[in-house]
Amino acid sequence: QVQLVESGGGVVQPGRSLRLSCTASGFPFNTYTMHWVRQAPGKGLEWVASIHYDGRVEFYADSVKGRFTISRDNSKKTLFLQTTSLGPDDTAVYYCVREHGDYGGWPLGSWGQGTLVTVSS
Amino acid sequence: IVMTQSPATLSVSPGERVTLSCTASQSVRVNLAWYQQKPGQAPRLLIYGAVTRATGIPARFSGDRSGTEFSLTISSLQSEDFAFYYCQHYNSWPWTFGQGTKVEI
Repeated sequence: QVQLVESGGGVVQPGRSLRLSCTASGFPFNTYTMHWVRQAPGKGLEWVASIHYDGRVEFYADSVKGRFTISRDNSKKTLFLQTTSLGPDDTAVYYCVREHGDYGGWPLGSWGQGTLVTVSS
Repeated sequence: IVMTQSPATLSVSPGERVTLSCTASQSVRVNLAWYQQKPGQAPRLLIYGAVTRATGIPARFSGDRSGTEFSLTISSLQSEDFAFYYCQHYNSWPWTFGQGTKVEI
């Protein structure tokens, strides 16, 4: 069964960086486009970034472009989100998400349990 | 693309039929999904391709589309259906979500 386990969240000071990880199992990781989606406390969902199954193409929300970098290691079945220049608006639960189908073009199918990032001095 | 959901909150009784709306600011074709989220849980995919139920989703959930207007209907609300519902397009980058509809008792 599909499992996505995020890690790396925590409390970080404004302006600092944090690297989130997501370990996948139960499916052929190298055939699925992966995403990060976040949810600020008490707020709605915000798509953050995506990376194609082969790691060659990335897309970002305008709110994080230039500050966040999505990457993946298919040999280790791991997805990453490197965050920099963090601000209070980045405080959120960050979800690792697999598309519903393989090789791209599908909606968000399987979600991890999320990791909380809190930006505070 | 801006996704606008209405209403923000729906107060209903079990057994009622409810319809949630989602409007896209420009064409997203049929690349529209609906998600359900309960407190403290990750979202769950309900509908994709505007009208296709995801695996394991009960038949009381259905989706419809008319141009850039989409709807999610729950034919007979069950207790486990009280939750937040979000629409989201995946037609072009960046993907965007609606602000959500809360279905409450």
